[in-house]
Amino acid sequence: DIQMTQSPSALSASVGDRVTITCRAGQSLGNWLAWYQQKPGKAPKLLIHKASILESGVPSRFSGSGSGTEFTLTISSLQPDDFATYYCQQYNTDPTFGQGTKVEIK
Amino acid sequence: EEQLVQSGGEVKKPGESLKISCKASGYRFATYWIGWVRQMPGKGLEWMGVIYPGDSDTRYSPSFQGQVTISADTSTSIVYLQWSSLRASDSATYYCARHVDDQGGDLNAFEIWGQGTMVTVSS
Repeated sequence: DIQMTQSPSALSASVGDRVTITCRAGQSLGNWLAWYQQKPGKAPKLLIHKASILESGVPSRFSGSGSGTEFTLTISSLQPDDFATYYCQQYNTDPTFGQGTKVEIK
Repeated sequence: EEQLVQSGGEVKKPGESLKISCKASGYRFATYWIGWVRQMPGKGLEWMGVIYPGDSDTRYSPSFQGQVTISADTSTSIVYLQWSSLRASDSATYYCARHVDDQGGDLNAFEIWGQGTMVTVSS
């Protein structure tokens, strides 16, 4: 399995803050990486796939970058609806998810 | 509207069998891979496997190979996840999810998700 390591595991931020979450892979993924948002009791929601392609309907404050082994999800200006847990997922080989990053209100 | 609707929650005893379902609608069922993702209580997401309904080609995570069976019925647009003998450690919420497009083969991101089925296994 490809190990996916997200950092930080949790963060506290305020509305309007710029937030960056990093995902590192144990081996090169090319650009086969997705980001999801999950709220308590709800199914995950796809935000970005192929490292940087924004899913239709997802606000433009979300962006993804990176390739190979290091990827980032950036929220340019945190909104109240963005407080959630975020997961990266590699799908270069047998897919695996990162352990998640919980974004909490400061 | 493209959507996946899952069957309701289940409470079972260890050793019992179980089959949960995921009904697709709003798109061409046979041409998109659909998979299952496990989420144990308070934990993260785990990719279990996917199936291509058009020919029932299936790919399992090594962690779940032999532990579960994924199947599909194109006449009803339903994908199934089944266990022959449940364990307490199978207690989790299970999500079905459809690939983001029909071009990526058996490895892709999940775009459309079901609402989740909670399975509780307890004596």
